[in-house]
Amino acid sequence: NAGVTQTPKFRVLKTGQSMTLLCAQDMNHEYMYWYRQDPGMGLRLIHYSVGEGTTAKGEVPDGYNVSRLKKQNFLLGLESAAPSQTSVYFCASSRTPRTPRSGANVLTFGAGSRLTVL
Amino acid sequence: SQQGEEDPQALSIQEGENATMNCSYKTSINNLQWYRQNSGRGLVHLILIRSNEREKHSGRLRVTLDTSKKSSSLLITASRAADTASYFCATIGGKSTFGDGTTLTVKP
Repeated sequence: NAGVTQTPKFRVLKTGQSMTLLCAQDMNHEYMYWYRQDPGMGLRLIHYSVGEGTTAKGEVPDGYNVSRLKKQNFLLGLESAAPSQTSVYFCASSRTPRTPRSGANVLTFGAGSRLTVL
Repeated sequence: SQQGEEDPQALSIQEGENATMNCSYKTSINNLQWYRQNSGRGLVHLILIRSNEREKHSGRLRVTLDTSKKSSSLLITASRAADTASYFCATIGGKSTFGDGTTLTVKP
């Protein structure tokens, strides 16, 4: 069982270049998330999706776009990379809560993608 | 700003001692979760406590929740060197928000 797989694991970009990070999950999860983690800090939510074809903004969405064309994949795009986007990016997925009130989504994380923008 | 804030930011103890980490949050929650992150790795879910629960145990982990104070604590008993990691509390819903974490070092 692969769980959540992120590609690539490492990437170095020059300012202004574009790239796409791919997240794939094989657990049939409805919800998927993209986070970034900067040194010594927690995770900040960039964008998330509650189902195929849907996306929503998180805490820090500026400079990023996402797409969820297939249930198992969630893509994170940087159209014009900036040094401030140097970070480690984590994808996560979860099941739909059993009830709207429970909100009991346990997240399964990928191993991370380390991006450096020069 | 982060929904959850952990305290202390860093904790260093000897193997066999207990480690306590605290988390405060700002808004109403349905549940609160704790995650662990080993250096250079993704986060792994440890334990979930629902808003109507006050205490929960899982192996050497004990989590408490005080909704009136909007706070939670994670206790790791009889710590081991392998417990060295960062620990995060999180409130998970449509959006999912993590604190900045407590870095625990357990010295052999």
